[in-house]
Amino acid sequence: GENVEQHPSTLSVQEGDSAVIKCTYSDSASNYFPWYKQELGKRPQLIIDIRSNVGEKKDQRIAVTLNKTAKHFSLHITETQPEDSAVYFCAASWALNTDKLIFGTGTRLQVFP
Amino acid sequence: DTEVTQTPKHLVMGMTNKKSLKCEQHMGHRAMYWYKQKAKKPPELMFVYSYEKLSINESVPSRFSPECPNSSLLNLHLHALQPEDSALYLCASSQGGQPFSGNTIYFGEGSWLTVV
Repeated sequence: GENVEQHPSTLSVQEGDSAVIKCTYSDSASNYFPWYKQELGKRPQLIIDIRSNVGEKKDQRIAVTLNKTAKHFSLHITETQPEDSAVYFCAASWALNTDKLIFGTGTRLQVFP
Repeated sequence: DTEVTQTPKHLVMGMTNKKSLKCEQHMGHRAMYWYKQKAKKPPELMFVYSYEKLSINESVPSRFSPECPNSSLLNLHLHALQPEDSALYLCASSQGGQPFSGNTIYFGEGSWLTVV
């Protein structure tokens, strides 16, 4: 069945460093890949997404890359700040019904000042 | 405006109680969702309504009963819940109706449910 693996489960970086979170999906027909940030006690919020017809997308300090052949996609955060500390979830759309997202298991990012 | 509003924010209920969670969006979205989230886990899909019809039921126990009165409203009726059902219940919505491209899903703030 459909599956999304996410690594690492925890990531600690120094303020100003870069952070990279990687996800692998199983369904080659998936065509939509969002990333959500969830702060403690808050709702998941979309921070960036990418569709399968695009290889890379950037929004200020955040970028996402997609390798369809390898079925990998990654989140890159540059110049990290303490307020970037949160849990990040990747997701992939389910080919049979794109209203359904398959979520990764999450990465807890801690940015130390 | 990307607002999905959920009430109540917190709910404590006994195992014999009947209660409801409510969700509202005014973005003209045609797909609405209920997710359940346990601590340190990703959101887990429960139900999807597309154009006010139930399109996905992820084999959720019948003690959870969804209802979509109209395109802006989504309810989740709760009856005879178990303590293990305690979780954050997230409502979400998306544009929907686009089978060949993904739709951004917007989450509400959630309802924290405790079953005692």
